[in-house]
Amino acid sequence: EAGVAQSPRYKIIEKRQSVAFWCNPISGHATLYWYQQILGQGPKLLIQFQNNGVVDDSQLPKDRFSAERLKGVDSTLKIQPAKLEDSAVYLCASSLYLTRQGVTEAFFGQGTRLTVV
Amino acid sequence: AQSVTQLDSQVPVFEEAPVELRCNYSSSVSVYLFWYVQYPNQGLQLLLKYLSGSTLVKGINGFEAEFNKSQTSFHLRKPSVHISDTAEYFCAVTYTGGFKTIFGAGTRLFVKA
Repeated sequence: EAGVAQSPRYKIIEKRQSVAFWCNPISGHATLYWYQQILGQGPKLLIQFQNNGVVDDSQLPKDRFSAERLKGVDSTLKIQPAKLEDSAVYLCASSLYLTRQGVTEAFFGQGTRLTVV
Repeated sequence: AQSVTQLDSQVPVFEEAPVELRCNYSSSVSVYLFWYVQYPNQGLQLLLKYLSGSTLVKGINGFEAEFNKSQTSFHLRKPSVHISDTAEYFCAVTYTGGFKTIFGAGTRLFVKA
């Protein structure tokens, strides 16, 4: 089966510019996650969707970051305006389900490496 | 607050030696536990998971982990490591309270010849 697809793989922008990342999860996966991984650190959850509803966005800097999940499938993450500290790898992941009946593991995309200069 | 602590940021070990990578988590609710591995310039991939049942779980590449509820730990072990095991290892916990998945900061395993 096809894995989680992300684009672009790399992006370099100047501070105060805007940028968008795209993610296509594994077909049929209800749960989609966006993580930020700063060099040398573990992935930090930014936002978690269940179908097209937001489950958790408590660590999303909402003054500059936004995310949506179109029709419960693809998702985009946007940063506007970008700051130097946003330089990181942005990981998208999906899992089949995450419910009170049980959970399944997350499958990760290759990530988008963002450099803000 | 929910948190995942990987006690060692780096673990150097000689080839064919045993290794243990430690993971502790905070919890007042039931959890699901995962270990992921990230090889250089690659994405995260699942090593093993604990969802229910036996507290000793076996994963790929000869790794295993033991869930200890009283200690709130999920340590990863391998009896004999190879050079190819050099990678970053992440412990992740899904909390049933809000089904949020939190990652530890990672442990860099460096296997020396």
